[in-house]
Amino acid sequence: GQSLEQPSEVTAVEGAIVQINCTYQTSGFYGLSWYQQHDGGAPTFLSYNALDGLEETGRFSSFLSRSDSYGYLLLQELQMKDSASYFCAVRDSPGTYKYIFGTGTRLKVLA
Amino acid sequence: NAGVTQTPKFQVLKTGQSMTLQCAQDMNHNSMYWYRQDPGMGLRLIYYSASEGTTDKGEVPNGYNVSRLNKREFSLRLESAAPSQTSVYFCASIRSNYEQYFGPGTRLTVT
Repeated sequence: GQSLEQPSEVTAVEGAIVQINCTYQTSGFYGLSWYQQHDGGAPTFLSYNALDGLEETGRFSSFLSRSDSYGYLLLQELQMKDSASYFCAVRDSPGTYKYIFGTGTRLKVLA
Repeated sequence: NAGVTQTPKFQVLKTGQSMTLQCAQDMNHNSMYWYRQDPGMGLRLIYYSASEGTTDKGEVPNGYNVSRLNKREFSLRLESAAPSQTSVYFCASIRSNYEQYFGPGTRLTVT
């Protein structure tokens, strides 16, 4: 079957750095995306990796290792507003833009 | 631009009733998606439409039908609602091959 595994919950303090891991097992791999979702809201796009390595966007960075079927999202200088759920998603088909989502990691940022 | 809009925002149905969830995007995107999200879970793909005139099943299509009315609109129909279909439904469209834009969601309860 196809699966994406993430920790269910992570807690950190304001100003800290936190890493959210994603391990995937899919029939195909054509890219890893990360989304943020606040309670009651819609998911919003954060970052994307198609090739191995680190992508940086402000306080957020995302890493991919295709040989390990693994990626992570790194959040630096945590703020209270970063308290949300974070989902990884894998595009598993080359012909269509169809994505499989992980079950999400709930991040709690403490003052 | 309104982005991705969904109607209704909330709906309560009795078992066996039918309804259609509407979704429209004004970003000229080719691909559109319907997901459901259950408490504490990730997004599961119900159906998607890679382009106008085409639709394909996702992970959980049973009990649903879709129509890609034109490039802008993609509707989801529940023919005979069941309590197991109580969920939050998100419509999304894609700009590039990785960045999905999500609508605000429809919160559906089936009693």
